[in-house]
Amino acid sequence: EAGVAQSPRYKIIEKRQSVAFWCNPISGHATLYWYQQILGQGPKLLIQFQNNGVVDDSQLPKDRFSAERLKGVDSTLKIQPAKLEDSAVYLCASSSEAYGYTFGSGTRLTVV
Amino acid sequence: SQQGEEDPQALSIQEGENATMNCSYKTSINNLQWYRQNSGRGLVHLILIRSNEREKHSGRLRVTLDTSKKSSSLLITASRAADTASYFCATGSGNTPLVFGKGTRLSVIA
Repeated sequence: EAGVAQSPRYKIIEKRQSVAFWCNPISGHATLYWYQQILGQGPKLLIQFQNNGVVDDSQLPKDRFSAERLKGVDSTLKIQPAKLEDSAVYLCASSSEAYGYTFGSGTRLTVV
Repeated sequence: SQQGEEDPQALSIQEGENATMNCSYKTSINNLQWYRQNSGRGLVHLILIRSNEREKHSGRLRVTLDTSKKSSSLLITASRAADTASYFCATGSGNTPLVFGKGTRLSVIA
């Protein structure tokens, strides 16, 4: 099966600019996650979707981060405005009960 | 918050040696997973061990789980330069989010 697709691969923006990341999960995986991974740390969950509904967004900084999953398939994660501390790798993953989790290659964001 | 804590934070060994990484976690689990992450890449699933298992093997990988101590270890035997990566333990199952530790950075020197 095809993997989880993410784009762009890299992004460099200035602070206070906005940025959006895109994720296409594995076909048929109802659950989708966005993780933030700061250099030298493990991934931290930002938001979990089940189909197109939000299950957990308790760790999403909602004053600047937003995410949506239209029609229960693709998802976008947006940051507006970006801060220097948002520099990280943003990982998308999808899962199913039968096949477990699959991660995308991530988007490396640098805020300057 | 992080569920698992890996130890050591960094490990450097010679090619051919064995590498052992440890993970401690805080809450009861159904299973524990180990992932590898090459620099700048996504996470690759290595092995899953269920709470009723004590040891599991996959190729050069050996994982142990001690639920009484809430700890797990990952052993990579006969390491290769290509094993250089960060290794993470994670807890979670089904459609619940994985919770990761901070990882162990392994360097295998040829």
